[in-house]
Amino acid sequence: EDQVTQSPEALRLQEGESSSLNCSYTVSGLRGLFWYRQDPGKGPEFLFTLYSAGEEKEKERLKATLTKKESFLHITAPKPEDSATYLCAPGSGGYNKLIFGAGTRLAVHP
Amino acid sequence: GAGVSQSPSNKVTEKGKDVELRCDPISGHTALYWYRQSLGQGLEFLIYFQGNSAPDKSGLPSDRFSAERTGGSVSTLTIQRTQQEDSAVYLCASSSGPLGEQYFGPGTRLTVT
Repeated sequence: EDQVTQSPEALRLQEGESSSLNCSYTVSGLRGLFWYRQDPGKGPEFLFTLYSAGEEKEKERLKATLTKKESFLHITAPKPEDSATYLCAPGSGGYNKLIFGAGTRLAVHP
Repeated sequence: GAGVSQSPSNKVTEKGKDVELRCDPISGHTALYWYRQSLGQGLEFLIYFQGNSAPDKSGLPSDRFSAERTGGSVSTLTIQRTQQEDSAVYLCASSSGPLGEQYFGPGTRLTVT
């Protein structure tokens, strides 16, 4: 059975304190691993797609990496505006049927 | 350009009533998805449309739920005889093709009283 586990469930950081979020997955026929950011009361906002182990992508203070069983979202020198829930979703099958993790709630305090 | 739009943004209904939720995908996107996000839960896949192909309905939780997509564009999710457990945020997403990244709308918050 396809499964996605994100850890930690919640993370509190001081502004400038770098950290990483983890996404462990068991999916047959991975098509791509998607990261989204979700602010309260809004729909998820697309961040990255990773397609193969060893791939890395960066956007501002965020860097996503992928292995065969995990993906990491590294946050370097975060700012309060990075506070959000970060969702990981591997896709598989004939189309990208996404299986979403429960997310990591990140709070960055000044 | 315009993103995915959904209406209404909020809907309060009485138990047993039918509701219709609307999704306008990004222009030119052929793939459309519906998800449900219950309080404290992850996003749950409901249904997928791709062009004129038969939809993947495997995520619909019961036969009270149905969806259609007219003209390969606008989609409507219908919930008949609503129950309190249907209360959730219903999210729509579209993508340029079956393997493209999905872009989400703001969601419709449904409350069944």
